Amino acid sequence: EAGVTQSPTHLIKTRGQQATLRCSPISGHTSVYWYQQALGLGLQFLLWYDEGEERNRGNFPPRFSGRQFPNYSSELNVNALELEDSALYLCASSWRRSWETQYFGPGTRLLVL
Amino acid sequence: SQQGEEDPQALSIQEGENATMNCSYKTSINNLQWYRQNSGRGLVHLILIRSNEREKHSGRLRVTLDTSKKSSSLLITASRAADTASYFCATGGTSYGKLTFGQGTILTVHP
Repeated sequence: EAGVTQSPTHLIKTRGQQATLRCSPISGHTSVYWYQQALGLGLQFLLWYDEGEERNRGNFPPRFSGRQFPNYSSELNVNALELEDSALYLCASSWRRSWETQYFGPGTRLLVL
Repeated sequence: SQQGEEDPQALSIQEGENATMNCSYKTSINNLQWYRQNSGRGLVHLILIRSNEREKHSGRLRVTLDTSKKSSSLLITASRAADTASYFCATGGTSYGKLTFGQGTILTVHP
């Protein structure tokens, strides 16, 4: 069974640009979660999507947004990039009723210059 | 903000020794789980323990949970060099979908 996949593995942007990160969940999972792992801040919850809708959101500004497609894959968009957005962005998936057990992908490392 | 505080922040042991990591949290939880992360890559789910459980085993892993003290411990027995990684506890509460992670313990197992 294929795990959660994320693309790209690395992304380099300059301040003010937009970044788009992609995630494909494990087959059969309908929920997708996004987390940010920044140096010194640890892993922080960003967003939860299930059945195409945003179900929960962490304490991040509106320039962090995303969507979930009918095939349950997801995109995370970060607008107006700031230097402190540099981090590893991790996507996870689960069955909706088992949201506590989340399976993580390898992450996308975003560097903002 | 991080709910969990883990200690130690770093642990260095020899192969064959046991490794114990602790996690404390602040608010009520429904469950607590442990993840492993190798070299800044994705997280691997190790074990989940629910708030009504006190101890759980999985292979060389033993997890305990003390809800009165709001703390948990992860014991890895007979450590191997391949266990070298960062270990995080994560709690799930009433904010559905959201796992709250501790700062992690960096474990180094020397061959």
